[in-house]
Amino acid sequence: AQSVAQPEDQVNVAEGNPLTVKCTYSVSGNPYLFWYVQYPNRGLQFLLKYITGDNLVKGSYGFEAEFNKSQTSFHLKKPSALVSDSALYFCAVRDIDYKLSFGAGTTVTVRA
Amino acid sequence: DVKVTQSSRYLVKRTGEKVFLECVQDMDHENMFWYRQDPGLGLRLIYFSYDVKMKEKGDIPEGYSVSREKKERFSLILESASTNQTSMYLCASSLRGDHGELFFGEGSRLTVL
Repeated sequence: AQSVAQPEDQVNVAEGNPLTVKCTYSVSGNPYLFWYVQYPNRGLQFLLKYITGDNLVKGSYGFEAEFNKSQTSFHLKKPSALVSDSALYFCAVRDIDYKLSFGAGTTVTVRA
Repeated sequence: DVKVTQSSRYLVKRTGEKVFLECVQDMDHENMFWYRQDPGLGLRLIYFSYDVKMKEKGDIPEGYSVSREKKERFSLILESASTNQTSMYLCASSLRGDHGELFFGEGSRLTVL
């Protein structure tokens, strides 16, 4: 089965600094990878996805993610974090039959 | 915009009660999913459906059942609620043949006493 891992439970950064949220994957075949964000007491919102092509994927709210096949990673990045980016972030991989398997999540706190 | 609506945001039920969680999507999506979300465990798939009257077990189907009588509606049923089913339940939908982007509802937080 396909799976992803998010090695950090929490990431803390100062506003204006770069933000990175880590994700590694384990798949057979070509991976379809996703990032979602969850604000408090809300559902998940789609940020971006990697299907094929350019290894740098741009998404919503100024986020981007870099697909690295040799390191089996798909890290989420933002060059300059905002306080409003504080949320719970999930990495996911598409399994067979259109299902998504999610990581445990990383809580991001951006301090002013 | 795709809208996935979960009928109840917060529910409190007693052990042994039958619980219905309703989900409706308005974009004619074929695929629908029920996940539960628990701290430190991420999202775990309970059941999913590719079409009307079709259902497939996910990773944690025990204690749950589902119903999909209409394309836009996917219901999650807890036949006899237990305290370990206290959780956030998330419904999602997607297009058949899509690369996998799921659209989520706002979630239903269930507390079983």
